[in-house]
Parts: sequence; structure tokens; C-alpha cells
Amino acid sequence: NAGVMQNPRHLVRRRGQEARLRCSPMKGHSHVYWYRQLPEEGLKFMVYLQKENIIDESGMPKERFSAEFPKEGPSILRIQQVVRGDSAAYFCASSPTTGGLNNEQFFGPGTRLTVL
Amino acid sequence: KQEVTQIPAALSVPEGENLVLNCSFTDSAIYNLQWFRQDPGKGLTSLLLIQSSQREQTSGRLNASLDKSSGRSTLYIAASQPGDSATYLCAGSNDYKLSFGAGTTVTVRA
Repeated sequence: NAGVMQNPRHLVRRRGQEARLRCSPMKGHSHVYWYRQLPEEGLKFMVYLQKENIIDESGMPKERFSAEFPKEGPSILRIQQVVRGDSAAYFCASSPTTGGLNNEQFFGPGTRLTVL
Repeated sequence: KQEVTQIPAALSVPEGENLVLNCSFTDSAIYNLQWFRQDPGKGLTSLLLIQSSQREQTSGRLNASLDKSSGRSTLYIAASQPGDSATYLCAGSNDYKLSFGAGTTVTVRA
């Protein structure tokens, strides 16, 4: 059973470009979470999605950031018009279909975004 | 909102010594607490999950305890090895969001 997959592992963008980060959850998991780890800071929750639904995006910056988890295919975190402050490691996690409380989250290897 | 603190920020021990890593949280209505290991430039590896109804969990040389009344969790690593060198993160959740501590970076000297 493959773990959570993220790609690309490293992404370099110039200011003003768009960044698209992909996450494929573990097989059988339909709950996806995105977290961000800024340099010298801890991981912070960004968004929680189920298939075709955004459940909680309270941790997402109000502008330029969006996330989706379509019926088919990976979850996408999209950052428009990137700025240097977006440079960070972005981690995706997934939990089993039963979801809800007391569910262990499994993390992917992360995408390290560098904005020049 | 759950706030999680880990002290100390860094720890260096000789090989063979037992490790004790501390984690404190502010909201005792915690649903579960999860311990992770993160190697430099890598992702997070889940080590142990303790549900709110449990007091401790064990896996091999690792043992984690949870005391909701005092707002503390402790991760014990027995007979440390150089391969245990990494950053250890604890994260608590009151729902589906994990709130992370800043981590304790452990160095085990051979």
C-alpha cells in the first residue's frame, strides 16, 4: 500500500508565477489535509478536504491560495502570483475513509517551494 | 484553539541513554495526540497515536503517555541509537486539525 504521494518534491517559481502542488492520498483514504511549514516555524493547518468538498479552509490565506480535491485525480493546492513569503514546505496528509475523530493522519514527503 | 509546546528545543545524549521528550497542550478536551519524527528535508513519519481514552501507547523502544488533566504527553525512547537523531514533533487535535509543537531536535552521539 503506497503512502501519501506528493509532487513535485521541489518547485522553483519566480515572483508572480503560479504554483500547483499535487497530493495523492493513501489508497482507501478520502480525507485530505494540507499543512505549511515556513522556515524556522512549526507546521500550520491550511485546509481540510473530502472528495469534491472543502470542509475547512480556515488556515488558508484569504487571497491567492485555493485547494481542490476532485472526484477523480489528486488534490491540488494552487498558489497564484507567488511571493517570496510563500517559500515553504507544503505537506499533505490523509486519513481513512471513516474520517472523523481519533483518526491517524499519514503525511507525504512534502513539496518544497522556493520563490525567487 | 489548541496550543502545543515542546521543551527542550534541542537535546544531545550519548548512545544508549534513554530519551524523554516533553509536550504540553492547553486544551484538555483533546481527541488525540500524535507523535512524529521528521528527518532534515524529509516528511513526517507517524510514530504513535494516543486517543483521548488511552493513557499510553507502545511500539518497540517507543512509549508515549498522555495525561489530559495536566495537559502533558511524554515520549520515551529506550536505549537511544545514532539513528534516532531527528526532530520529534507532537501534535494534538480537538477535531480534524493537528496543532503542532515546534519540535525537539535530538542528537544521539556515538
